[in-house]
Amino acid sequence: DVKVTQSSRYLVKRTGEKVFLECVQDMDHENMFWYRQDPGLGLRLIYFSYDVKMKEKGDIPEGYSVSREKKERFSLILESASTNQTSMYLCASSPPREYNEQFFGPGTRLTVL
Amino acid sequence: GQNIDQPTEMTATEGAIVQINCTYQTSGFNGLFWYQQHAGEAPTFLSYNVLDGLEEKGRFSSFLSRSKGYSYLLLKELQMKDSASYLCATLDSNYQLIWGAGTKLIIKP
Repeated sequence: DVKVTQSSRYLVKRTGEKVFLECVQDMDHENMFWYRQDPGLGLRLIYFSYDVKMKEKGDIPEGYSVSREKKERFSLILESASTNQTSMYLCASSPPREYNEQFFGPGTRLTVL
Repeated sequence: GQNIDQPTEMTATEGAIVQINCTYQTSGFNGLFWYQQHAGEAPTFLSYNVLDGLEEKGRFSSFLSRSKGYSYLLLKELQMKDSASYLCATLDSNYQLIWGAGTKLIIKP
């Protein structure tokens, strides 16, 4: 059974803190994605990766970075958290073909105070 | 620009039929997805259409018209558990997913 896990369901941080969000998938998928989801805006792509050590910017990469040292793990880093990064963060993975469905993790609701 | 439009919220009655529309304008088109997302949970895949026409999968069907930039998701014999948000997303010419804001479907007894 396909499984994508995220390190935390809820997280509260203070402005200026460095924040790590971890995502692990057990399907041996090449593609991994980080999105944020805000009311009325839909899912917005932050970064994605098609292979180990490879990363590509999505639509809203500013203020974020990522790391993919192992195929199963894709980390999202907020170098200096700000209140406008309060959001739901969703990780997803998919097999290599572009038209394959994406499998999502349960999400991390991050609040930056 | 790239744009996907779907209604913000819809209400339907248990046992009835509801149609959720999605119109899109994207740079290139490589297919359209529908996902279901229950409150507080992850989106889950429902359907993928790349050719015109209707695809049926149990109580759920998805329709695509590429010439009109239009799709709909049809839910039959509605059940209370169908209360969720329904997300429309298209694959553009770079095979990037462009997401709509989602339609919140409320089912009443």
